[in-house]
Amino acid sequence: DAKTTQPPSMDCAEGRAANLPCNHSTISGNEYVYWYRQIHSQGPQYIIHGLKNNETNEMASLIITEDRKSSTLILPHATLRDTAVYYCIVRSHSSNTGKLIFGQGTTLQVKP
Amino acid sequence: SQTIHQWPATLVQPVGSPLSLECTVEGTSNPNLYWYRQAAGRGLQLLFYSVGIGQISSEVPQNLSASRPQDRQFILSSKKLLLSDSGFYLCAWRQGSLGEQYFGPGTRLTVT
Repeated sequence: DAKTTQPPSMDCAEGRAANLPCNHSTISGNEYVYWYRQIHSQGPQYIIHGLKNNETNEMASLIITEDRKSSTLILPHATLRDTAVYYCIVRSHSSNTGKLIFGQGTTLQVKP
Repeated sequence: SQTIHQWPATLVQPVGSPLSLECTVEGTSNPNLYWYRQAAGRGLQLLFYSVGIGQISSEVPQNLSASRPQDRQFILSSKKLLLSDSGFYLCAWRQGSLGEQYFGPGTRLTVT
């Protein structure tokens, strides 16, 4: 699975959009981009995933560049409860193991 | 709906003592199961995964072992704990070859 690079930390004002970037320049054609987050002392929570088209659900939007070498997770109206570590993971669906390889992620601090 | 249980929630054990952590999943069949560990201030590390009863794959050499005696039961064990085994242990499951993983609430282990 391709490696990802994320900034170690970011701040966001409450009520504003949080834009979390992720670089995955070695991504291959059958690899998906997944986003999880981990609130302190809890297990990770799935947010969203995509292959090449932009995706949106009730939690967030995922914007993937046309060359698929980077993506951005957007939390449209961040709240204090969105403070967490956000992980960007690239994974192929061709393997039946479904392993997730977590990096260090981005610590998002939402401030009032 | 599916749920995942882990117990105990917290555990304090002396060095050299045995360990048994249990994870069970309800509401699904033949899931892929995973054990992760998160040391203090570190990212999540995949320890073991299982694609079926009795099938265990180890990701890193260590003082731990895993077993899957039943379809929806995953056990993490050690014969003799080390100080370095302290951490937050998370169990996760996934259905099929696509989609997201769902994580349990975790067990916080302190080896003294």
